[in-house]
Amino acid sequence: GIQVEQSPPDLILQEGANSTLRCNFSDSVNNLQWFHQNPWGQLINLFYIPSGTKQNGRLSATTVATERYSLLYISSSQTTDSGVYFCAVVDRGSTLGRLYFGRGTQLTVWP
Amino acid sequence: EAGVTQSPTHLIKTRGQQATLRCSPISGHTSVYWYQQALGLGLQFLLWYDEGEERNRGNFPPRFSGRQFPNYSSELNVNALELEDSALYLCASSFLGLADTDTQYFGPGTRLTVL
Repeated sequence: GIQVEQSPPDLILQEGANSTLRCNFSDSVNNLQWFHQNPWGQLINLFYIPSGTKQNGRLSATTVATERYSLLYISSSQTTDSGVYFCAVVDRGSTLGRLYFGRGTQLTVWP
Repeated sequence: EAGVTQSPTHLIKTRGQQATLRCSPISGHTSVYWYQQALGLGLQFLLWYDEGEERNRGNFPPRFSGRQFPNYSSELNVNALELEDSALYLCASSFLGLADTDTQYFGPGTRLTVL
């Protein structure tokens, strides 16, 4: 199956700082999603972004499909941004329906 | 609009017992997916149901099974529980059942503890 690598594995920031999370994937994709897993375990949808750029408030994401990577930008971090951020993909043409997840980036934002 | 719901929130069982986990998709969604998040193993795909049929299964033993009901809700059954089945079980749903482009929306999960 498709390989998904996220970096960095851990990120510690002061409130107000900006950050960039990276997701590399090993094959062409038709589906790339970014999630935030809250402390209770729920995966919150951030972006569906198989290509291009999207913005939602302080968060934005860019996927360069031809180079097989995606970036999640968090600006002016807040303590509520803490948690694990996952990138997940479905390989192009797949009939299997499954998302392949990276190992995640653990973000901790201190006040 | 209500999101994906799962029950129970927590479940404690002993080794050898059976566990039943339930999931209700977002209204209008026909596909349901199950994932396991065990400590140290990341998020692993379990099952995909669409329109009442099992469409794909991950690399899990047969004691993990499930079904999808006519109202598109789903049930995951785990028989002969083992200690390593302790994990967060996440259910997701999607609208079209298109394998490679659907956005999957996740529920809050069921935390299963096997003693």
